[in-house]
Amino acid sequence: GAGVSQSPSNKVTEKGKDVELRCDPISGHTALYWYRQSLGQGLEFLIYFQGNSAPDKSGLPSDRFSAERTGGSVSTLTIQRTQQEDSAVYLCASSPEVGAYEQYFGPGTRLTVT
Amino acid sequence: KNEVEQSPQNLTAQEGEFITINCSYSVGISALHWLQQHPGGGIVSLFMLSSGKKKHGRLIATINIQEKHSSLHITASHPRDSAVYICAVTANAGELVFGAGTILRVKS
Repeated sequence: GAGVSQSPSNKVTEKGKDVELRCDPISGHTALYWYRQSLGQGLEFLIYFQGNSAPDKSGLPSDRFSAERTGGSVSTLTIQRTQQEDSAVYLCASSPEVGAYEQYFGPGTRLTVT
Repeated sequence: KNEVEQSPQNLTAQEGEFITINCSYSVGISALHWLQQHPGGGIVSLFMLSSGKKKHGRLIATINIQEKHSSLHITASHPRDSAVYICAVTANAGELVFGAGTILRVKS
């Protein structure tokens, strides 16, 4: 079956523009996670969804970041008024349920803010 | 202090050598993960374990819950094993907390 897919694979945007990053999880996976991998910070958790609900948004770096998930499937991470420090690889992962389950990662979206 | 510490940060080995990467964590966990990331590539889950030992091919992962320590071993290393190996622990809601990674280079 298909794995986790993400689009676009690469995005270059000007500082101040809004961007939308998309994640398509494995069909039937209830849990969906967004992570960010940046050069100086390593991998960090941003937000997770259980179904369409995001119970804890405290991992989002600022109020310019938001995410939603519809139909228990596709998720979109939106960054408004992008800044250079937002440049990173944004990774999405899904697992059958929330909790201690193996996570399946997408290929990531490389975001460059110029 | 990071919640997940890995060592070494960098490791160069000769083909055929036995390799060990270590991971220590400071919080209570429900599971520990070993992940692999090739240059320019995505992240692949190698193991998820909460006790004991798991083996897959030339890879072995162990965990000692009392000592809050895990090791990843690679037997008969090969240049294709060259990658970044990342230790991560499952936190409260299933999200992963990551170590900084170990960059492994295996020379032929």
